[in-house]
Amino acid sequence: GQQLNQSPQSMFIQEGEDVSMNCTSSSIFNTWLWYKQDPGEGPVLLIALYKAGELTSNGRLTAQFGTTRKDSFLNISASIPSDVGIYFCAGYNTNAGKSTFGDGTTLTVKP
Amino acid sequence: GAGVSQSPRYKVAKRGQDVALRCDPISGHVSLFWYQQALGQGPEFLTYFQNEAQLDKSGLPSDRFFAERPEGSVSTLKIQRTQQEDSAVYLCASSRGLGGIYEQYFGPGTRLTVT
Repeated sequence: GQQLNQSPQSMFIQEGEDVSMNCTSSSIFNTWLWYKQDPGEGPVLLIALYKAGELTSNGRLTAQFGTTRKDSFLNISASIPSDVGIYFCAGYNTNAGKSTFGDGTTLTVKP
Repeated sequence: GAGVSQSPRYKVAKRGQDVALRCDPISGHVSLFWYQQALGQGPEFLTYFQNEAQLDKSGLPSDRFFAERPEGSVSTLKIQRTQQEDSAVYLCASSRGLGGIYEQYFGPGTRLTVT
């Protein structure tokens, strides 16, 4: 089946640093989604991307939908302690009801 | 609150027991999804409802897993004869539109531990 590879698996950074993480797929998606999950909670949608090549920002977060439709990246600028959590990418195709998730990037921010 | 709620939040079951996990979606949301999240992994799709119709159950791992949404609102995921490999967090999500194109709002999950 479809698989998403997220990297890096974990990151330890200092507060104020920028962060970059990415996601690659063995197959094409026509929607890419980025979620953040805090301990004991469900994932919360951060950014949705609907077109190949699209670059979208949400505050300090910027995400891009790769032109091959098989990859996406998420950047976080000027990290703060509350950015700590697990970030998941997910791919979705409109002819299917389900999203396919990667295994997450765990972000730790040291004050 | 107006979010997705799930109950129980934690469930411990002995191997072989049946369990039922409940999801209360956001009022008026048409689509409802169940996911299974193993420790250290991303959510994996189990099944999808559009109103009361179960349109996709391709992710259910075995015939011990059964989901229903009889009135198009509350949903129950039932696992019969639980096994240790069923231990995971079970997440429910709902969205206002048809299919997954609209934002999915997740509940906090039910952590199932099978001993």
